[in-house]
Amino acid sequence: EAQVTQNPRYLITVTGKKLTVTCSQNMNHEYMSWYRQDPGLGLRQIYYSMNVEVTDKGDVPEGYKVSRKEKRNFPLILESPSPNQTSLYFCASNPGPSYSNQPQHFGDGTRLSIL
Amino acid sequence: GENVEQHPSTLSVQEGDSAVIKCTYSDSASNYFPWYKQELGKRPQLIIDIRSNVGEKKDQRIAVTLNKTAKHFSLHITETQPEDSAVYFCAASFTGGGNKLTFGTGTQLKVEL
Repeated sequence: EAQVTQNPRYLITVTGKKLTVTCSQNMNHEYMSWYRQDPGLGLRQIYYSMNVEVTDKGDVPEGYKVSRKEKRNFPLILESPSPNQTSLYFCASNPGPSYSNQPQHFGDGTRLSIL
Repeated sequence: GENVEQHPSTLSVQEGDSAVIKCTYSDSASNYFPWYKQELGKRPQLIIDIRSNVGEKKDQRIAVTLNKTAKHFSLHITETQPEDSAVYFCAASFTGGGNKLTFGTGTQLKVEL
């Protein structure tokens, strides 16, 4: 089954404790993205990757890191989480430039609470 | 960068009535406009999309229209049903740049019996 898998689905942690949210897709997609969703603000892109070892900032990258060492994986790293990063996070993938404007496939989301 | 505005933020209709949600975008380079439905606690699900070379697209009770000149696009749901109740997001993107989606802020649609 084609899917985007995120882990964990829920996490409560404390300020300053490094955490990683994993994202994996099994569709051989070139493009992957991270979004955060906050009430009244919709979904905002944090980082995106157009291929292995190619990443770039989205609209709200501050406080986050990403890596793309393998095509299927795109982890989101919070080196020193703060309460304003409490949010619902979605990973998404997309086939890439050879497929003009194809829909994003979203994972099931990760709800992060940072105390 | 792209900016997408969406209205209304909440919409309440009677079952069987039509619902219309409107979005405007700022970047004339945007050429792909998807609509997502998100039920509580779940991921956004694509319900319909339109590309800039098309003015209208319909899929059963759902239709989307696009006015490139005015930079408007709209979602139309006819014969609404209680299961249509959800949050709907419009978005815009353009070829290249990672196919980045810029989302509207969402419309909470409530279909009342």
